[in-house]
Amino acid sequence: DQQVKQNSPSLSVQEGRISILNCDYTNSMFDYFLWYKKYPAEGPTFLISISSIKDKNEDGRFTVFLNKSAKHLSLHIVPSQPGDSAVYFCAASAVTGANSKLTFGKGITLSVRP
Amino acid sequence: NAGVMQNPRHLVRRRGQEARLRCSPMKGHSHVYWYRQLPEEGLKFMVYLQKENIIDESGMPKERFSAEFPKEGPSILRIQQVVRGDSAAYFCASSYSFGGEQFFGPGTRLTVL
Repeated sequence: DQQVKQNSPSLSVQEGRISILNCDYTNSMFDYFLWYKKYPAEGPTFLISISSIKDKNEDGRFTVFLNKSAKHLSLHIVPSQPGDSAVYFCAASAVTGANSKLTFGKGITLSVRP
Repeated sequence: NAGVMQNPRHLVRRRGQEARLRCSPMKGHSHVYWYRQLPEEGLKFMVYLQKENIIDESGMPKERFSAEFPKEGPSILRIQQVVRGDSAAYFCASSYSFGGEQFFGPGTRLTVL
């Protein structure tokens, strides 16, 4: 039972263009969403997050959009750079309760072509 | 300020042996999470600990796996009698407070022969 789904395993974009990474979730108890970036042989690194009370959060080249009614979020990277090539994980948590554990999707491998 | 430290980075064990994975959280962090990543999968939650307490172990396999976070020293994830299916990357994360941002270590890659 996968509660966080990243249905596209990979994405390739040209340098300078926009990268759009999608994520869907099924658990309506999730109220906090995060994106992590991961390079091979390293741990995930936090990128950007959004609370369920918002529909957009922006940080530099990275913007996350949340559509609660559709249970869908997306990460936009613009302009994309070759250094952005990595695996991107969408994660969610239900901060209320006794445990803020993260539930991850399977990840999307982003390749940015020079 | 050192980040989350995990050791060893790579661990090879034969079937039936024990594996001990260590995690030192960031300075000042008292919340530790362990996650496992199987090949081609996302990270899956295993256990959440605070100092000397297991808060949630709902993601831990019922047998052979245990975790601790003593008052002094690193958190330990222990796998007894390893099997090939235990081969995975094991990541530790720490946070300063409940619900706070989780910072991940580099992981321990366990290979069971």
